[in-house]
Amino acid sequence: DADVTQTPRNRITKTGKRIMLECSQTKGHDRMYWYRQDPGLGLRLIYYSFDVKDINKGEISDGYSVSRQAQAKFSLSLESAIPNQTALYFCATSDSKTWGGRTQYFGPGTRLLVL
Amino acid sequence: GQNIDQPTEMTATEGAIVQINCTYQTSGFNGLFWYQQHAGEAPTFLSYNVLDGLEEKGRFSSFLSRSKGYSYLLLKELQMKDSASYLCAVRALNSGNTPLVFGKGTRLSVIA
Repeated sequence: DADVTQTPRNRITKTGKRIMLECSQTKGHDRMYWYRQDPGLGLRLIYYSFDVKDINKGEISDGYSVSRQAQAKFSLSLESAIPNQTALYFCATSDSKTWGGRTQYFGPGTRLLVL
Repeated sequence: GQNIDQPTEMTATEGAIVQINCTYQTSGFNGLFWYQQHAGEAPTFLSYNVLDGLEEKGRFSSFLSRSKGYSYLLLKELQMKDSASYLCAVRALNSGNTPLVFGKGTRLSVIA
């Protein structure tokens, strides 16, 4: 089984709809991240969380919100989707307690299309 | 602010060696990562450098010069499956609370 899972893997929605992307991990990591990736723009950080009570905005948080329901779960919401939020979304995790914990491990991605 | 530059695209021949460069300007430095990403898939970790010098891992090596703000990823004995994007990412100093900043990636095409 995959260590970091994302649901759904693909989603088509309409402008103005609220949607939620979910991320779960079995790695036991304390830190979790949400990125979006657009052609030519690379990976950009939306939000990150260093533990259940710690939520931080990344460089492009406008239009998004997150919830860290448990150490293993980190959800990303688009309150009112717009077409320029069409992108590939990745969840990632890392472990602050190990030397190699600076490494981030990515989920398989969610491809979102907003019409 | 932080800025990471790497070439957008490169092409190399199967069996050859290719070097992908990355330059960075950050407010302090606390480590540089290389990731590989095949089209439509998740990035996967390749290497981590925090001290100057060369780290070798099989066909892949990564080099860091902190004084020059420079790193490269060296791929030897190229295979067709090495066709992918290669992402350089930097962690700034005192960034136990600051995640990685990624470059835009270098798309490598390996041709026969």
